[in-house]
Amino acid sequence: AQKITQTQPGMFVQEKEAVTLDCTYDTSDQSYGLFWYKQPSSGEMIFLIYQGSYDEQNATEGRYSLNFQKARKSANLVISASQLGDSAMYFCAMREADAGGTSYGKLTFGQGTILTVHP
Amino acid sequence: EAQVTQNPRYLITVTGKKLTVTCSQNMNHEYMSWYRQDPGLGLRQIYYSMNVEVTDKGDVPEGYKVSRKEKRNFPLILESPSPNQTSLYFCASSLLGNSPLHFGNGTRLTVT
Repeated sequence: AQKITQTQPGMFVQEKEAVTLDCTYDTSDQSYGLFWYKQPSSGEMIFLIYQGSYDEQNATEGRYSLNFQKARKSANLVISASQLGDSAMYFCAMREADAGGTSYGKLTFGQGTILTVHP
Repeated sequence: EAQVTQNPRYLITVTGKKLTVTCSQNMNHEYMSWYRQDPGLGLRQIYYSMNVEVTDKGDVPEGYKVSRKEKRNFPLILESPSPNQTSLYFCASSLLGNSPLHFGNGTRLTVT
């Protein structure tokens, strides 16, 4: 089974509107972290936002917020007031603890969602 | 400036010619990793390292080698590159624990 699922290959949004990018994950760990990255056409990977599995409040970073629904295992990214510069590929990722629960290994990525912002 | 630096950015080579992609970070991170990104397959981990002299295989290690002789450096070595290793490669580092990975700018490798 896929650990990270992003069901939207592509999304379109009008400038200044909000958009939600979906992400569901699969883990049996109690301790894990969820991350969103942005990859513009230039190719670099830019870290946007992080949510820990024990965090009770949804993470926010400027125009980015993470809608964390633990029971449903979803971690959707909400971008408010979209800008043309938000057009990019967006990746959801998860980092799980190892068997001992003290160390965190690889970041597992979803397939990504291409966001296009229209003027 | 805190960063992960990988070189070269672009590399075109021929089958069988050994190459090394360098990676260096200046954030004193224990954890370093290499990923490759391919269309339709997303990012897949090749190798990772939790500390100096400690390396381990990721999901797609075949055809690659790494070493971690110093904390800051984590080179990726392709002893005998093949066309199926044509890809976009990323080096990344982080603190141990549930921390975000910081990525280098990527190396686009073409093997003909």
